[in-house]
Amino acid sequence: GAVVSQHPSRVICKSGTSVKIECRSLDFQATTMFWYRQFPKQSLMLMATSNEGSKATYEQGVEKDKFLINHASLTLSTLTVTSAHPEDSSFYICSADGQGSTHEQYFGPGTRLTVT
Amino acid sequence: RKEVEQDPGPFNVPEGATVAFNCTYSNSASQSFFWYRQDCRKEPKLLMSVYSSGNEDGRFTAQLNRASQYISLLIRDSKLSDSATYLCVVNIGFKTIFGAGTRLFVKA
Repeated sequence: GAVVSQHPSRVICKSGTSVKIECRSLDFQATTMFWYRQFPKQSLMLMATSNEGSKATYEQGVEKDKFLINHASLTLSTLTVTSAHPEDSSFYICSADGQGSTHEQYFGPGTRLTVT
Repeated sequence: RKEVEQDPGPFNVPEGATVAFNCTYSNSASQSFFWYRQDCRKEPKLLMSVYSSGNEDGRFTAQLNRASQYISLLIRDSKLSDSATYLCVVNIGFKTIFGAGTRLFVKA
């Protein structure tokens, strides 16, 4: 099946710094990728939809200037958490639209961000 | 009302038991339906798609009732390894909506 990778898998950073997370579709092209955040014992929350070659669409309440998304190619989307704060500590997961008729999503393994 | 609702559980069942989860969705324009499984601190993984005709994969059976707008998942002969959170997922066009998940614990 389709494979999506994410890097890094785990990152610890200090408050005020920025962190970039990469999401790659390894064996297929993904015009649409999604970024989710998940806090402990809570459901996945969609942050934004990343479209290749155009601006990302952000969900209500998600600051686009804080969570910068770039989808520069059909296999790579990046999420940059700018000026990170401890409350940004979370599990960030990307997924790619498999482009099938049902739009099944393939998930990356996630990135656990801890901001100290 | 949430767009996709699930009983959060947890469901605590013994090995070998049969357990069923239900999920309701509010948008009648929903087009495709899935059950995903998520283990602790891992990404969700597709368990199975759900079709109106119902579908079965080994010990797992999924059903879709469009008239009543609910989806079900039945697990027979539960294994310890089935312990996880089961997410009901609904697609409307390019929009994917996740339920909050139902936690299952299978005990020896």
